[in-house]
Amino acid sequence: AQSVTQLDSHVSVSEGTPVLLRCNYSSSYSPSLFWYVQHPNKGLQLLLKYTSAATLVKGINGFEAEFKKSETSFHLTKPSAHMSDAAEYFCVVSDLRRGTYKYIFGTGTRLKVLA
Amino acid sequence: EPEVTQTPSHQVTQMGQEVILRCVPISNHLYFYWYRQILGQKVEFLVSFYNNEISEKSEIFDDQFSVERPDGSNFTLKIRSTKLEDSAMYFCASNRDTNQPQHFGDGTRLSIL
Repeated sequence: AQSVTQLDSHVSVSEGTPVLLRCNYSSSYSPSLFWYVQHPNKGLQLLLKYTSAATLVKGINGFEAEFKKSETSFHLTKPSAHMSDAAEYFCVVSDLRRGTYKYIFGTGTRLKVLA
Repeated sequence: EPEVTQTPSHQVTQMGQEVILRCVPISNHLYFYWYRQILGQKVEFLVSFYNNEISEKSEIFDDQFSVERPDGSNFTLKIRSTKLEDSAMYFCASNRDTNQPQHFGDGTRLSIL
């Protein structure tokens, strides 16, 4: 069965320092992987997606993620955090080849950015 | 940029009452979804809908739940007899085809008293 594990429920970084949000997945086939961000009282916004093309994926707002099949990981990074990055981040897996369109969400990581 | 819109943003309902949550997906999208997030828990899939029928549903989506696309623009989730444990944030999503990412609305916070 598919699953997603976000290893940290909370991450705090200082403004201007790198961000690393960790995600491991479990899937029987080659999955599609996504990162979504949720700002307070807002919906889920797509940051980036991996769908078996390049393993290093660039997204919006300077975020990127690297798909590592050998480690079953899809960690989200950003070189320099900005105050506006404070939000909750969700790693998501989907596996269309199994004929299912649903998303499986991780438990989320709340990112705090300190001035 | 086109958005998925959900109404109301907050719904308060007495236990046992029926509630309808409304969504307007992006206009040229064909696949529609409902998810929910109970406070402090992960976002969970409820149901997917395509071509006027349910294509997949989770164990959560029991006989108390139903979905409908009553016209060319709205997509609704009905809970027939609400329970306290139905209190959650409900998200609607859509995409044009299943290879594209799902676009989410801002959610409806449902509070059951």
